[in-house]
Amino acid sequence: ETGVTQSPTHLIKTRGQQVTLRCSSQSGHNTVSWYQQALGQGPQFIFQYYREEENGRGNFPPRFSGLQFPNYSSELNVNALELDDSALYLCASSGPGQGLNIQYFGAGTRLSVL
Amino acid sequence: GNSVTQMEGPVTLSEEAFLTINCTYTATGYPSLFWYVQYPGEGLQLLLKATKADDKGSNKGFEATYRKETTSFHLEKGSVQVSDSAVYFCALSEGGTASKLTFGTGTRLQVTL
Repeated sequence: ETGVTQSPTHLIKTRGQQVTLRCSSQSGHNTVSWYQQALGQGPQFIFQYYREEENGRGNFPPRFSGLQFPNYSSELNVNALELDDSALYLCASSGPGQGLNIQYFGAGTRLSVL
Repeated sequence: GNSVTQMEGPVTLSEEAFLTINCTYTATGYPSLFWYVQYPGEGLQLLLKATKADDKGSNKGFEATYRKETTSFHLEKGSVQVSDSAVYFCALSEGGTASKLTFGTGTRLQVTL
């Protein structure tokens, strides 16, 4: 149990729709990272938020956007959904004082785009 | 850019067999290295880590040694159990302010009685 919670657990959308995924970070953690894990693949880094600012972004188009709130929880928004957006979306939090900035993952949100 | 290459799975072993899952990496600097495990229907759990050359990470009977000369971080366990059945991911992070993780594609381990 990492203390990182994600909602919803599963989601079904149709192509062209918009979706918002939510993540509550572990207590004391001020950094949240989002990853996309396609079936049978390793997670791919989408972006990271540190103290409410985007702090690094992977190779994902602008229709993937995010927010981090003052309590360090976070949202991932995806606009104009495409079939290839079907994946497990993982949130990871990390905090100060850990030296290595170890990331703790939630169980993920499985998004299916039809 | 950075990359991680893992041996293809699935790996099928009998209980109490010796496990090795190979992992090699490419990085521009001096990364930290990790093994994560993903049980069915769950997120990723950190299994072990190593921060510099010749460090050995260990946890729950699993071990991996950071080999800079061969850019490798192979995962080993002397005697696997059925409960070790999962997908194992090797990953690296170059640290800094945006310490993103770069993952391999994962290796599925199936342990049978």
